[in-house]
Amino acid sequence: EDKVVQSPLSLVVHEGDTVTLNCSYEVTNFRSLLWYKQEKKAPTFLFMLTSSGIEKKSGRLSSILDKKELFSILNITATQTGDSAIYLCAVVPYNTDKLIFGTGTRLQVFP
Amino acid sequence: GAGVSQSPSNKVTEKGKDVELRCDPISGHTALYWYRQSLGQGLEFLIYFQGNSAPDKSGLPSDRFSAERTGGSVSTLTIQRTQQEDSAVYLCASSQGGKGGYTFGSGTRLTVV
Repeated sequence: EDKVVQSPLSLVVHEGDTVTLNCSYEVTNFRSLLWYKQEKKAPTFLFMLTSSGIEKKSGRLSSILDKKELFSILNITATQTGDSAIYLCAVVPYNTDKLIFGTGTRLQVFP
Repeated sequence: GAGVSQSPSNKVTEKGKDVELRCDPISGHTALYWYRQSLGQGLEFLIYFQGNSAPDKSGLPSDRFSAERTGGSVSTLTIQRTQQEDSAVYLCASSQGGKGGYTFGSGTRLTVV
């Protein structure tokens, strides 16, 4: 059965800290991996990764995929209170368009 | 429209009643997805549509759940004889057939009392 596992489940840091969120997967016919940020209800898109070793970057956020070891990391540098959210990782297999989600990492950033 | 629109945003219903949740995807998006998120949980896949057909409805938890999509646009998710365990946020997303990012709506929070 296809599976996506995120760690840690929860993380509490102070503003200015750097955090690394992990996502590992066991999915047949992997096509792509996506990261989302969920603050209230609607998850908002962060990154889509399809190739190993190519870092995607947006401001203080960056992400990279390792297709050999079947994982991805999401880094957030110089965290701010506005980064507090649930970060969701999802994988899309080739034989379907559906997203397979992990349970998410809840990040809390305190001033 | 500019984004994915879901209605109602909140719904409180009595156990045993039927409910209908609506999703209006981004114009031109051929694929539409329904997910469910229970408190403190990740997103659970329910069903997805490509055009008006549903190639994968494997996530529907029971035969009380059904969904349809008409005109390649609006979709409705119907839950019959609601139970308390149906309480969750129901999220809809659309995409251009998986070639780009998936855009989520703000969801419908369903509470069954």
